[in-house]
Amino acid sequence: RKEVEQDPGPFNVPEGATVAFNCTYSNSASQSFFWYRQDCRKEPKLLMSVYSSGNEDGRFTAQLNRASQYISLLIRDSKLSDSATYLCVVRVYNNNDMRFGAGTRLTVKP
Amino acid sequence: DGGITQSPKYLFRKEGQNVTLSCEQNLNHDAMYWYRQDPGQGLRLIYYSQIVNDFQKGDIAEGYSVSREKKESFPLTVTSAQKNPTAFYLCASKTKGPNTGELFFGEGSRLTVL
Repeated sequence: RKEVEQDPGPFNVPEGATVAFNCTYSNSASQSFFWYRQDCRKEPKLLMSVYSSGNEDGRFTAQLNRASQYISLLIRDSKLSDSATYLCVVRVYNNNDMRFGAGTRLTVKP
Repeated sequence: DGGITQSPKYLFRKEGQNVTLSCEQNLNHDAMYWYRQDPGQGLRLIYYSQIVNDFQKGDIAEGYSVSREKKESFPLTVTSAQKNPTAFYLCASKTKGPNTGELFFGEGSRLTVL
């Protein structure tokens, strides 16, 4: 089983739609969780950290469920510019070992 | 401007040749990483280093080697032992603290083995 697994996608949604991605992790000792965004042929960039209490940044909401070992990302009112691959990242153990999921591809269409 | 610089951006090599990818950062970060990304796939960890003169293997270290002689530099050598080296290679760095998660990436190096 992979350490970090994501919905394979692709997700094709119309502008204005709400879309949700899930990510599961296998190591219960995982410490920190993040969502990164990667545009085609570019490097990944941090979208948001995921806090235990859940957190929101504009149209984006991240949630953590430690009991079930998954994190989620909700995007409301999708924009064309949201089209990208969304990567789930987990910091493993109490060190700096950062592990990525395979990513979920989102395409927002007019 | 602070950041991470990878070079070269594109590299073509013949099968059986070793190649070294450069990664330099001026962010004063302690931790540095090398990831490999294949088309349509996520990032897989090759090696990472938390401090000068120390590094740990990731999931796919076979056929690769690294060094960390200076805090700013973490070069990756793709050796002839790597069976399928054609890929997009990404270097990243972050601060060492346990609650700091943002990885800063270079623009990547695309290696094609002919």
